[in-house]
Amino acid sequence: SAVISQKPSRDICQRGTSLTIQCQVDSQVTMMFWYRQQPGQSLTLIATANQGSEATYESGFVIDKFPISRPNLTFSTLTVSNMSPEDSSIYLCSASERNQPQHFGDGTRLSIL
Amino acid sequence: GQQLNQSPQSMFIQEGEDVSMNCTSSSIFNTWLWYKQDPGEGPVLLIALYKAGELTSNGRLTAQFGITRKDSFLNISASIPSDVGIYFCAGSLYGGATNKLIFGTGTLLAVQP
Repeated sequence: SAVISQKPSRDICQRGTSLTIQCQVDSQVTMMFWYRQQPGQSLTLIATANQGSEATYESGFVIDKFPISRPNLTFSTLTVSNMSPEDSSIYLCSASERNQPQHFGDGTRLSIL
Repeated sequence: GQQLNQSPQSMFIQEGEDVSMNCTSSSIFNTWLWYKQDPGEGPVLLIALYKAGELTSNGRLTAQFGITRKDSFLNISASIPSDVGIYFCAGSLYGGATNKLIFGTGTLLAVQP
């Protein structure tokens, strides 16, 4: 299965600032996804990162708050914009081929002060 | 967002005991997946199920895809301390336009040596 690397692994940020999280896959993959995992909770899909086009966002998530890029088949970024303490979460990237299970990176642990 | 109901929420067992957990949904899925998440890491795929009634094993782990396609079960036999972690089920409707996963609420497993 693909190896997925995320950077940074953790960060502490000031409210009102923005942070961009990078996700690198060691092979070309058809599909990439971004999830949020709030403290002690399960995973919630933020969006599907589409290569060469705008990401597809789930209900409750908007592009202005979570802009996503996917310039090629191995790389994607998620930006958390204008952060507030409520954005403190683990942000996880995953990748898969169509109709194959998703594999995950180790996540980015974000704390907002 | 939508989540699957997973039970029990937590389990505290002695090493060597068997463990059972399940996941239920109001919706039909055509794929069920089971993941394990260790602290500070992303979810790791344990077992994937693709067919109603399917029973699949991975070492001491056995999972079943419910006949109704609305539930799945995971059993761990002869638990060991390294089984500690959070177990998540996830359902998907592969074959559609997306590869999206809906995650369960998670089962926290603690194993006492």
